[in-house]
Amino acid sequence: GEDVEQSLFLSVREGDSSVINCTYTDSSSTYLYWYKQEPGAGLQLLTYIFSNMDMKQDQRLTVLLNKKDKHLSLRIADTQTGDSAIYFCAEKDRGSTLGRLYFGRGTQLTVWP
Amino acid sequence: DSGVTQTPKHLITATGQRVTLRCSPRSGDLSVYWYQQSLDQGLQFLIQYYNGEERAKGNILERFSAQQFPDLHSELNLSSLELGDSALYFCASSAQAGAVGDTQYFGPGTRLTVL
Repeated sequence: GEDVEQSLFLSVREGDSSVINCTYTDSSSTYLYWYKQEPGAGLQLLTYIFSNMDMKQDQRLTVLLNKKDKHLSLRIADTQTGDSAIYFCAEKDRGSTLGRLYFGRGTQLTVWP
Repeated sequence: DSGVTQTPKHLITATGQRVTLRCSPRSGDLSVYWYQQSLDQGLQFLIQYYNGEERAKGNILERFSAQQFPDLHSELNLSSLELGDSALYFCASSAQAGAVGDTQYFGPGTRLTVL
């Protein structure tokens, strides 16, 4: 089964905020990532958060981490049509020095003008 | 642009055939990772190479193999292809062996279609 879970779809109106949620299972995960995939393109690293942080802000992006609930969220402020894409949450290999990432299924964000 | 390049962009072949996908990591990166993205399985880790040596293995089939060359580029070989191998294959690279803080940057992918 999936260890990293995300809702599959999110629709918002242009100018509103978007919040994409993710839950993970491994409490020993050290880094959690958000990647963006536009149609026909590869995965673009958006941001990441280290597990000793609760929040990280980078321009329009805010990442919140709730370690107790193993919940990660990505907030996009003032969402634009160009933000329409699939957003993947990923956690790093658990409790080891190996680099493999475990990805969620991705959330398809659609932004309506 | 992540700095990771993959060729070819698209590949169409028939069942039973063999193909080779190529990846060049970002300048200075020592690790290369291969992932498969399919509709039913999502994004799955296949294999990691670090400085020419296999470092970690994931859900890679025995029909698939990979290697990393002295110039650090990597190739993923897929043989005896089946319809179910149709997918997007991503390569990623990172600076080190994948420890804490070692971020992966992804290439644009190779879309493989098996007919």
